[in-house]
Amino acid sequence: DTGVSQNPRHKITKRGQNVTFRCDPISEHNRLYWYRQTLGQGPEFLTYFQNEAQLEKSRLLSDRFSAERPKGSFSTLEIQRTEQGDSAMYLCASSSTVRDTQYFGPGTRLTVL
Amino acid sequence: GIQVEQSPPDLILQEGANSTLRCNFSDSVNNLQWFHQNPWGQLINLFYIPSGTKQNGRLSATTVATERYSLLYISSSQTTDSGVYFCAGGYSTLTFGKGTMLLVSP
Repeated sequence: DTGVSQNPRHKITKRGQNVTFRCDPISEHNRLYWYRQTLGQGPEFLTYFQNEAQLEKSRLLSDRFSAERPKGSFSTLEIQRTEQGDSAMYLCASSSTVRDTQYFGPGTRLTVL
Repeated sequence: GIQVEQSPPDLILQEGANSTLRCNFSDSVNNLQWFHQNPWGQLINLFYIPSGTKQNGRLSATTVATERYSLLYISSSQTTDSGVYFCAGGYSTLTFGKGTMLLVSP
């Protein structure tokens, strides 16, 4: 069990650029979640997958955001045409359907200039 | 959606003191978890506790599902307990509270 990993750990980009983040869940976990966290707030749910199926997306999720989980393993989160308001910590978590405890990765900190 | 309210928002303790953190939910949930976010930002799962009581070392948690609240107890606090404690609840997905920021001083 190597834990949930995320790459990159930090990303600085200019407004209008596209960015992509990667999450590798715990290997035996079939559920994968993306959250966003801003300073002083709790994590905010963005979307989740069970295996390769995207089962739920937050209504707050702009259509500039897209997530994939090909083959039910790692996942990518892409933000197109970034805006300064997208600056946040992007967190990934995974769990299994047998035991729904969520385990979080270290996060990717995005700064949009 | 579900609203999650945590109290107190901030807590300062001296090492060795005990504390109780509370989490109220606006609606019933079947998935309730407590997390600790350390000063480096890493979220650590403390308990999966949709109902009942669990203990893990100096930490314990109790959820009264019928009254839609959960409590986290920290006994004999240590400086390493500092950080932000979040509760989160829901069904297929979790809604997080704003957290309780705990500072334990030596």
